[in-house]
Amino acid sequence: TQLLEQSPQFLSIQEGENLTVYCNSSSVFSSLQWYRQEPGEGPVLLVTVVTGGEVKKLKRLTFQFGDARKDSSLHITAAQPGDTGLYLCAGLALGGTSYGKLTFGQGTILTVHP
Amino acid sequence: DVKVTQSSRYLVKRTGEKVFLECVQDMDHENMFWYRQDPGLGLRLIYFSYDVKMKEKGDIPEGYSVSREKKERFSLILESASTNQTSMYLCASSWAGPSTDTQYFGPGTRLTVL
Repeated sequence: TQLLEQSPQFLSIQEGENLTVYCNSSSVFSSLQWYRQEPGEGPVLLVTVVTGGEVKKLKRLTFQFGDARKDSSLHITAAQPGDTGLYLCAGLALGGTSYGKLTFGQGTILTVHP
Repeated sequence: DVKVTQSSRYLVKRTGEKVFLECVQDMDHENMFWYRQDPGLGLRLIYFSYDVKMKEKGDIPEGYSVSREKKERFSLILESASTNQTSMYLCASSWAGPSTDTQYFGPGTRLTVL
């Protein structure tokens, strides 16, 4: 069974601060995704990274896939209260017929205070 | 827009009851998934289905069964609900094909078993 270790589990910061969330595994993934979930809703995809070393930017969010495709990070610059939510990383297994089955990390609950 | 709907947002049942959770997607997706979400544990896969009448066990299938009689509908069944099945249940769907990783989630059903 592939595992994804996500850290930290909780982050409580002030508006304007920067933060980084990490997602690590001993397994190689075909691709890695980041989702964001707000209270009372299901997770919504933010980004997918596919190539080792890939960096993607979504406004103030920067996502990076490790060179070996075993880890990923999410960096938020100048966090805002609207960034508050649960952030989840998820990996798609290599090869075979995965049927799109994802392995999820434990999640990071981010709270940004005004 | 892809839409995944779940039959109930909140459900309260008694120990031993049979519980049905329904999920419907409107985008003709081949793959459908049932997860439970508990604090600190992320999303754990219960069952998934890659075609009508096809089902595969996920990581925690014990105490659950599923049914997929139509492509758009995937049902999760708790044969005899127990208190340790109190949780948030999330349904998701995705396309089959080369890029199968993006999952679209419903809003979730918060189930309480008394």
